[in-house]
Amino acid sequence: DVKVTQSSRYLVKRTGEKVFLECVQDMDHENMFWYRQDPGLGLRLIYFSYDVKMKEKGDIPEGYSVSREKKERFSLILESASTNQTSMYLCASSGTRFSDTQYFGPGTRLTVL
Amino acid sequence: AQSVSQHNHHVILSEAASLELGCNYSYGGTVNLFWYVQYPGQHLQLLLKYFSGDPLVKGIKGFEAEFIKSKFSFNLRKPSVQWSDTAEYFCAVNDKAAGNKLTFGGGTRVLVKP
Repeated sequence: DVKVTQSSRYLVKRTGEKVFLECVQDMDHENMFWYRQDPGLGLRLIYFSYDVKMKEKGDIPEGYSVSREKKERFSLILESASTNQTSMYLCASSGTRFSDTQYFGPGTRLTVL
Repeated sequence: AQSVSQHNHHVILSEAASLELGCNYSYGGTVNLFWYVQYPGQHLQLLLKYFSGDPLVKGIKGFEAEFIKSKFSFNLRKPSVQWSDTAEYFCAVNDKAAGNKLTFGGGTRVLVKP
């Protein structure tokens, strides 16, 4: 069974703080993704990575950065958290074939005060 | 860019009723299509997917979906719902031009009353 874990289920931070969200997968997947989930908007892709040290912007990258130093770990960084970044953050991983399924972690609910 | 529309934001129905959730996408090329489900307090999980072959796809828990290429649609159905089907359902599309990137619809919250 694929397992994708995220470092925190709930996180509360203050405006201006630097925030790190960690994601680890145990299936040796090449691809990893960060999404945010907001009511009525579904999931929107922030960043993704096809390989170690490689990253690509998704649909809403502003205010975020990522790091992938090891194949199994993909970190999302909020350089200076703002209240409009309060959201549920989901990490996912998949293989490289076009037909491969993305597997999701449990999510981190981030509140920025 | 790809876009995905789910027509209903909220659906309320009684146990044993039939369920159909609509999903339309915009890209006309080669696509993979997915339905994911998120039960209350749980993580997003795959319900079913289509990538080739028979356009009628069967998934877990009695769900099925039909890919109609001419209508750019991938509607989800279940003939008789149970209270445990209460969840949020997301349609997603992966088009070949975008590689493994998924585009999600806005989701449909389904409440099944006992």
